[in-house]
Formats: sequence, C-alpha cells, structure tokens
Amino acid sequence: DAGVIQSPRHEVTEMGQEVTLRCKPISGHDYLFWYRQTMMRGLELLIYFNNNVPIDDSGMPEDRFSAKMPNASFSTLKIQPSEPRDSAVYFCASRVGLADGNEQFFGPGTRLTVL
Amino acid sequence: EDKVVQSPLSLVVHEGDTVTLNCSYEVTNFRSLLWYKQEKKAPTFLFMLTSSGIEKKSGRLSSILDKKELFSILNITATQTGDSAIYLCAVDSSNSGYALNFGKGTSLLVTP
Repeated sequence: DAGVIQSPRHEVTEMGQEVTLRCKPISGHDYLFWYRQTMMRGLELLIYFNNNVPIDDSGMPEDRFSAKMPNASFSTLKIQPSEPRDSAVYFCASRVGLADGNEQFFGPGTRLTVL
Repeated sequence: EDKVVQSPLSLVVHEGDTVTLNCSYEVTNFRSLLWYKQEKKAPTFLFMLTSSGIEKKSGRLSSILDKKELFSILNITATQTGDSAIYLCAVDSSNSGYALNFGKGTSLLVTP
C-alpha cells in the first residue's frame, strides 16, 4: 500500500502565479480531504469530497482557491493567483467511508512558499 | 462553533520523564476523539476514543477520554528522543460531516 501520494513535495513560486497541488488517495478510500497547516492557525480543513463529489468547501479561503476530483484516484487543489499569505503546508488525507470511526490517512504534504 | 483546545502548546522534558498532554473540546453531536503524532511530515494516527473511561494503550503511550468533562489526555511514559513531535488532537462530530476539527497541537521536545 503506497499510502496517500502528494506532489510536488515542495513548491516555490512568485506572487500572482498559478499553483496546482496534486493528490492520489489510497485505493478504495471514498473520502478525500484537503487541509492547510500554518504555525498561526494549525491544521485547517479546506474542502472534502465523498465519491468524487465536493461535500463541504466552507473552509476554502476565497475564490482564488478551487479543488476538483475528476475520478476516484486523483484530486487537485489550485490557487490562482497565489499570494504570500498562502504559504503553508497543504495536506491531503483519505479514509474509507464505511469504517468505524474517522481515522484519516495523511499524505506527506506539499510545502508551498509564495514569494 | 466547535472548539478543540490543546495544552500545553509546547513542552521540553528529559529522556525518561513522563508527560501528560491535554485536549479539551466543545462540540455538539460528538462521535470520537483522535490523537495524531506529527514529526517532520504527515500526521500519523495514534488512537481513536469513543467511550469514556476506557484506556487505549500502545507501548509507552496511552490515552483516555472523559465525555462528561469533555477532555482527553495522552500519556507518554519513559520518554525517548524519538517521541519529540507535535501531538495533535482532533474531534469528529456529526456537525462537521466527516471532517476532523483539529487543535493547534502540543510540541514536545525530549532532550537526552
């Protein structure tokens, strides 16, 4: 089991550029979550999907952020245009829908720096 | 609004010490409380607690939940330098669908 896969692991970009983060959930998991982690705010949920459908996007900061899940094995989080305050570590996590409890498995994260 | 508060925010101990990390929560429609350990990368799952008073144990780590007083503790005995990490508490409630509400974490440093 490869676990949750994220790419890139590190991204440095300039303000105003478009950034796309990618995630491959664990096979068979039907929930996918995008989180953002900063020192000030900790780990915050941005959006989550169930069976590829967005369920709750109330954590998406503003219209510059968008997320898609075109199929069960791939999701993207896009920031356009990026701003320095978007600098953070972005985690993707997945879980099995029918399992007891809510254990989520996290990917290694993408460290984003916007200059 | 649901809240999860962890204390202390940071802690420095010597190898061999015992530590207790705290997590208090205010949520409606509580389902479970989870503990994660985060080293330099992704959070990794430690425990899930759903019932009061039942201790979960894994090696030197243990955790217990008090649903009446709305808190959980994570104990680490005979700490080792490899225990240095951020420990995250998260609450699962039906208010937030299947999303987890995380505390800000406790940063633990174990010195030799």
